[in-house]
Amino acid sequence: GEDVEQSLFLSVREGDSSVINCTYTDSSSTYLYWYKQEPGAGLQLLTYIFSNMDMKQDQRLTVLLNKKDKHLSLRIADTQTGDSAIYFCADLDQAGTALIFGKGTTLSVSS
Amino acid sequence: DTAVSQTPKYLVTQMGNDKSIKCEQNLGHDTMYWYKQDSKKFLKIMFSYNNKELIINETVPNRFSPKSPDKAHLNLHINSLELGDSAVYFCASSQDDRTQTYEQYFGPGTRLTVT
Repeated sequence: GEDVEQSLFLSVREGDSSVINCTYTDSSSTYLYWYKQEPGAGLQLLTYIFSNMDMKQDQRLTVLLNKKDKHLSLRIADTQTGDSAIYFCADLDQAGTALIFGKGTTLSVSS
Repeated sequence: DTAVSQTPKYLVTQMGNDKSIKCEQNLGHDTMYWYKQDSKKFLKIMFSYNNKELIINETVPNRFSPKSPDKAHLNLHINSLELGDSAVYFCASSQDDRTQTYEQYFGPGTRLTVT
């Protein structure tokens, strides 16, 4: 079945860049997403990338997509303590009916 | 304005009870979803529903049933609650248009604790 994998933890210092990586198995993916979940809160869509793109930049966020390797990454520049959260990579399932989430990467930012 | 809302935010109940969680979206979306997030924060789809079809994740016990009184609401009804049902349940919605990006908007979640 379709699967999305992420590393579970990342720890960075304030001001550094954070890179969160994700791999997926579905070669027919059209959209890939990054969601953020702050403690005790719901999921917030951060950004998404269409499969015919290699890169998308949105302020401090840069998404890189390597379709050949089925690898997606999210780079957060100048990471702040407010960026501490769980970041989920997600793929739209083949039926286009639901998101398949990775297990989430907990980003911890220390000052 | 809250886009996707859920009630209650917290629900504590005993094993064997039947409970419902309500979800409403004011975005005019066609499709609504229920996701379950377990204690390890793993998120899995339970149901997706629009006016054309209900798609059920095959791993969801039939004690769980979605009920949609209208396009803006998708409630989750759970019969005979078990300890393993304890989790956070998220409702979401999206526009069912294959030219769009399928952005899903999530509610704040309902933390269900079964004792």
